[in-house]
Amino acid sequence: QQQVKQSPQSLIVQKGGISIINCAYENTAFDYFPWYQQFPGKGPALLIAIRPDVSEKKEGRFTISFNKSAKQFSLHIMDSQPGDSATYFCAASNIGYSTLTFGKGTMLLVSP
Amino acid sequence: GAVVSQHPSRVICKSGTSVKIECRSLDFQATTMFWYRQFPKQSLMLMATSNEGSKATYEQGVEKDKFLINHASLTLSTLTVTSAHPEDSSFYICSVLAGYSYEQYFGPGTRLTVT
Repeated sequence: QQQVKQSPQSLIVQKGGISIINCAYENTAFDYFPWYQQFPGKGPALLIAIRPDVSEKKEGRFTISFNKSAKQFSLHIMDSQPGDSATYFCAASNIGYSTLTFGKGTMLLVSP
Repeated sequence: GAVVSQHPSRVICKSGTSVKIECRSLDFQATTMFWYRQFPKQSLMLMATSNEGSKATYEQGVEKDKFLINHASLTLSTLTVTSAHPEDSSFYICSVLAGYSYEQYFGPGTRLTVT
C-alpha cells in the first residue's frame, strides 16, 4: 500500500514537444505529491509539488495534474528542451509523517 | 528552497575501513534530516530518519550498527559507514525537512567507492 508506480521508465521527446510522466498511488492517506528532477551525479531537486485540494498546479513550463478519485498524478513539461533531459521522480507522503515514497523514476531525453 | 551541502562529494576507501559523510543545512535549522542511498539507474531508498538530539530511526533492513547516524546540531547530520565493504559502494544523499513546510530538499550526494 506504500507503493508509487511511475511510468514510463524512459521517454524520448523532440525539442518543443510535451513530456508526460504518470504516477499512481494506493495509500489514500498520502496528501503531498512532489516531483523531483535529478541530473547524473547530482542530488534530486524539488521541481513542483501539489496537495490534493487542487487538481492542477502550474509553474512555468511544468504542470502537475492530480486526479484524487483515480489516485493518479502526472507531470507535464511543455515546450521540452534538451536541458530538461534528466531523470524525474514522483513521490508521495503523508505530511504528518514526512517520509517520502518514491516512484522508480523516468529517464527523459529531449532530442534537439 | 533550502540549501544543503554534503562533504565529501566523492570518497574512495579500502574494505574494512570506516568513512564519515557530513550533511549540512546551510540556511535554516533542520530538526529532521533523512539519509538515502541510490544505486545506478535506481530510485532513492530511504535508509534512516535523523532527528536532532535523538536516535535515528532506521528503515527495515538497514543495519544501524553499520550505518551510524549522528544529528548533534540543527545544521549537521553525519552518516558513518563502518567496516565498509564493496557492496556498500553507492551514492549517498541526505535531505532536510523544511520545518516551515513539509518540503524535502536534497544535498548534492556523496559517491562512495569501496575497494
